[in-house]
Amino acid sequence: GQNIDQPTEMTATEGAIVQINCTYQTSGFNGLFWYQQHAGEAPTFLSYNVLDGLEEKGRFSSFLSRSKGYSYLLLKELQMKDSASYLCAALRGGYSTLTFGKGTMLLVSP
Amino acid sequence: DGGITQSPKYLFRKEGQNVTLSCEQNLNHDAMYWYRQDPGQGLRLIYYSQIVNDFQKGDIAEGYSVSREKKESFPLTVTSAQKNPTAFYLCASSPGQAYGYTFGSGTRLTVV
Repeated sequence: GQNIDQPTEMTATEGAIVQINCTYQTSGFNGLFWYQQHAGEAPTFLSYNVLDGLEEKGRFSSFLSRSKGYSYLLLKELQMKDSASYLCAALRGGYSTLTFGKGTMLLVSP
Repeated sequence: DGGITQSPKYLFRKEGQNVTLSCEQNLNHDAMYWYRQDPGQGLRLIYYSQIVNDFQKGDIAEGYSVSREKKESFPLTVTSAQKNPTAFYLCASSPGQAYGYTFGSGTRLTVV
C-alpha cells in the first residue's frame, strides 16, 4: 500500500527557518518530490530527491533518507509569499505515478 | 510558450449529467495524469496515460472515464455514476519519471 504522512499545519515568522517533515511507506519507491501550492492554484515543483542526502536550491533545501522512509523540506529566510500548502509526493517507479500526502499548510506571519 | 491548459476554470452541472473536462498540453510530454483534490484529502489519482491510445486506472477511477486519442489531449469525463463529483480537478503531464509533473491550473467542478 501507499502511505504518506506530513503535518497538517505549521506556523512561522517572517525571516525564520521552518522544516516540514514527511514520512512515507510506498512500494516501488523511486524518488521524493516536494511541490508548493497556493490556494486555488496548481502545484509548482520545488525539489526532487532520489538519493540519500541534502539538495539545496536557494532558500529551499530538501533531504531524503531512503532507509528511514523520511524526507524534509527546509525553508530559510521565510517571506510572506511562502504562505502556502507544501505537498510531499512519492514516485512509484513501476507506474511512474506520484502518490501525494495531504499537504502541510504553512502560515508565515509578520 | 509551452504549457498545459485546462478549461473551463469553473464548471457547474446538475446532478445526473455527464461532464467532460478538457486538458491540452503542447510540451510534447508522453505521460498525462488526472488528479482530484478535496479539502483535507490531498491529491488522488483518477487515471493516467503513458502513451497515446493507452491509459490505466488510478486509485479512484470509479465514475470517471478518459480517452487519449492524441498526444496533446487527455479529456476526463465525470459520469453520473460518480457519487461525489464536486471537487478541484488537476491535469498534469510529464516527460519522464525524474522530471515530475507540470500541472494545469485546474477546473473547479460543482454539481448541484
